[in-house]
Amino acid sequence: GNSVTQMEGPVTLSEEAFLTINCTYTATGYPSLFWYVQYPGEGLQLLLKATKADDKGSNKGFEATYRKETTSFHLEKGSVQVSDSAVYFCALSRGTSGTYKYIFGTGTRLKVLA
Amino acid sequence: NAGVTQTPKFQVLKTGQSMTLQCAQDMNHEYMSWYRQDPGMGLRLIHYSVGAGITDQGEVPNGYNVSRSTTEDFPLRLLSAAPSQTSVYFCASSYGQGVGYTFGSGTRLTVV
Repeated sequence: GNSVTQMEGPVTLSEEAFLTINCTYTATGYPSLFWYVQYPGEGLQLLLKATKADDKGSNKGFEATYRKETTSFHLEKGSVQVSDSAVYFCALSRGTSGTYKYIFGTGTRLKVLA
Repeated sequence: NAGVTQTPKFQVLKTGQSMTLQCAQDMNHEYMSWYRQDPGMGLRLIHYSVGAGITDQGEVPNGYNVSRSTTEDFPLRLLSAAPSQTSVYFCASSYGQGVGYTFGSGTRLTVV
């Protein structure tokens, strides 16, 4: 079946450090891939997405590239800020016309220290 | 533009009680889903709907019912609350595959 695996956290970084959060997926065909961010006490917010192989999603300095050959969608940011502290979820959507489901990873908590 | 609105934000129930978690969206989205979020388990799909009058089960549907009489509303009913249903519940909506969900702010439910 379809699944998403992401690295366990917490990930603790100093401000301005480089961030990578790994995400790999298992799915038939060509799913759409997403990263969501959840700040404390809030719902999930869509951070970025990619809908086909080699697409790069980007937003707020975060980037992720859809790698079909390695079934990966790793999240990166060149210089993190304290305000980036949150839980990050990788997700995929897959389904036939008229119906589809999202599958989420377990989330990776990021802590950025000043 | 309110997006996805969930009520209540917090709720405490006694074992065996029933209740309905409300979810409403004003974006005319066809797709709506309910998830529960538990520590270390990410989000698990309870039920989803691809349009008014059409619902289906997700991976953890037992103990929950849904209906979709309008495009805007997608309530989640707990039939007889159990401590295992203590969780944070999120409603989400989307207008199609590949475009991502809009999430509500969640309902934190405690069953004692």
